[in-house]
Amino acid sequence: DAGVTQSPTHLIKTRGQQVTLRCSPKSGHDTVSWYQQALGQGPQFIFQYYEEEERQRGNFPDRFSGHQFPNYSSELNVNALLLGDSALYLCASSFYDGTARGGYTFGSGTRLTVV
Amino acid sequence: EDQVTQSPEALRLQEGESSSLNCSYTVSGLRGLFWYRQDPGKGPEFLFTLYSAGEEKEKERLKATLTKKESFLHITAPKPEDSATYLCAVQPYRGGYNKLIFGAGTRLAVHP
Repeated sequence: DAGVTQSPTHLIKTRGQQVTLRCSPKSGHDTVSWYQQALGQGPQFIFQYYEEEERQRGNFPDRFSGHQFPNYSSELNVNALLLGDSALYLCASSFYDGTARGGYTFGSGTRLTVV
Repeated sequence: EDQVTQSPEALRLQEGESSSLNCSYTVSGLRGLFWYRQDPGKGPEFLFTLYSAGEEKEKERLKATLTKKESFLHITAPKPEDSATYLCAVQPYRGGYNKLIFGAGTRLAVHP
């Protein structure tokens, strides 16, 4: 049973460019959350998608946007990249059973470096 | 404001030397508290979920406990393969949403 799959694993972009990261959730999961993890820090919540809609958002600017597709996969887009956007971007999936109880399964992440 | 603080930031143990990691939290209604293990360059790996004060869970050499203000991850007779960063996260009540708020983690190094 495949877990959460993220692509690409590593990415180098230039300041001001745009980037798209991709995530396929674990089989049976319908909710996708995105987190940003700076070096030496814990993951910070960016947003969550369920039923192709953004349900909850953290303290991130509008440069960060996302999308969920009918097959539950998701994309994270970041526009006008800044040096401070360099981080490990984690995708996490879960199944919504109506209670919102329980945690996630995380992918291995995409390491984004902005130069 | 919901907040999670983990201590110590880093911990070095000799193989077999038991110890505990601390996670202190403030949250406006706790739905659950989570422990994850993270190896370098990898995503967090789920260890435990605790839902109410007094609850305890065990897995191999690890045992997690929960009070109303903090959680402990006890490591008994650790081995070098237990070396990793251990992350604590809280899930506050926010209706139907399951956002997690993470601490900065404790970096554990176990030496032979």
